[in-house]
Amino acid sequence: AQSVTQLGSHVSVSEGALVLLRCNYSSSVPPYLFWYVQYPNQGLQLLLKYTSAATLVKGINGFEAEFKKSETSFHLTKPSAHMSDAAEYFCAVSGSEYSSASKIIFGSGTRLSIRP
Amino acid sequence: DTGVSQDPRHKITKRGQNVTFRCDPISEHNRLYWYRQTLGQGPEFLTYFQNEAQLEKSRLLSDRFSAERPKGSFSTLEIQRTEQGDSAMYLCASSWNLGEQFFGPGTRLTVL
Repeated sequence: AQSVTQLGSHVSVSEGALVLLRCNYSSSVPPYLFWYVQYPNQGLQLLLKYTSAATLVKGINGFEAEFKKSETSFHLTKPSAHMSDAAEYFCAVSGSEYSSASKIIFGSGTRLSIRP
Repeated sequence: DTGVSQDPRHKITKRGQNVTFRCDPISEHNRLYWYRQTLGQGPEFLTYFQNEAQLEKSRLLSDRFSAERPKGSFSTLEIQRTEQGDSAMYLCASSWNLGEQFFGPGTRLTVL
């Protein structure tokens, strides 16, 4: 069965600092991986996705993530944090290039706070 | 196209009452999903439809839960005899086949 684990339920960084949100996955085959963002009182929005093409994936709002098979990781980074990045971030997995899947399996989330 | 909409946005009910939520997907999307998100957790899959057919149900979906999508457009999720443990955010998403799932704003249920 597939799963994801997000390390750290809350991360706080200063405005302009590097953002690093950690995610490790468990899957018998290289999975499709996603990062979603959820702003207060809003639905989930897809930031980026990995589907077995380039291992470095660029998303919206300056975020990117790198798929590392040897470490079973898919960490999310942004070089310079902005106040508007404050939100809940979810790592997720759904299917693989060998087997499509409909449901998305989410991690427990990491709340990102930005200090002025 | 206004995205996925859900109604109501908030529902407060007493234990034992029945509640029904509605989801209107993006009009051209053939797949519709329901997820449940409890406080401090990520969303958990409940069920999904392709057109009007319900193709998968999670074991989380007890007998008190029922979902329908009668004409392959909007969907309803009903919870009978609500319990305090049903308090959560109920999220709906839609997609075209296995494409990106677009999420609605959710319905927050509070069971007193």
